[in-house]
Amino acid sequence: KQEVTQIPAALSVPEGENLVLNCSFTDSAIYNLQWFRQDPGKGLTSLLLIQSSQREQTSGRLNASLDKSSGRSTLYIAASQPGDSATYLCAVDNQGGKLIFGQGTELSVKP
Amino acid sequence: ETGVTQSPTHLIKTRGQQVTLRCSSQSGHNTVSWYQQALGQGPQFIFQYYREEENGRGNFPPRFSGLQFPNYSSELNVNALELDDSALYLCASSLDRLEQYFGPGTRLTVT
Repeated sequence: KQEVTQIPAALSVPEGENLVLNCSFTDSAIYNLQWFRQDPGKGLTSLLLIQSSQREQTSGRLNASLDKSSGRSTLYIAASQPGDSATYLCAVDNQGGKLIFGQGTELSVKP
Repeated sequence: ETGVTQSPTHLIKTRGQQVTLRCSSQSGHNTVSWYQQALGQGPQFIFQYYREEENGRGNFPPRFSGLQFPNYSSELNVNALELDDSALYLCASSLDRLEQYFGPGTRLTVT
């Protein structure tokens, strides 16, 4: 049974700092891995999707990596801004679109 | 291109009642997945509909049921509501079960 874990559960950093969010999963037979952002009480916004054959994806200040053999993904945020404050969720797809989520990392970026 | 929409935004029901939540998928998408997100938790997969057929179900009892219509919109029905059903219900659409795009969610409160 696939399990997804995100560490840390919460993170507070000063504005401008580079940071890394971690995601680990127990079953390496995945189709893809997605990172999402969720603002309080809102839906999920897709940030990056990494196919199982890929090692990383980049979008603006965000870079996500995937290491299937070790069951790990990281989301790197460069030059963090207060507007980046949100909960970041990692989700693994290993059954054709049925996502299994971690519990999220709550990020707070202080001005 | 219209994104994923959900209705209603908020809903308050009494224990034992029944509820129907609705989701309109993004234009061109043929797959809808439903998730339940309890406060402070990651979303949990309820079920998925692909081309009007149920295509997988998570660990939810039969009182959670759904439909997908020919235009690929979808409904989630919950019978005999319990207090623990209080959550944010998220709908996601995709093309052929690939990258998922989420709606804003319906906040259900059961009293």
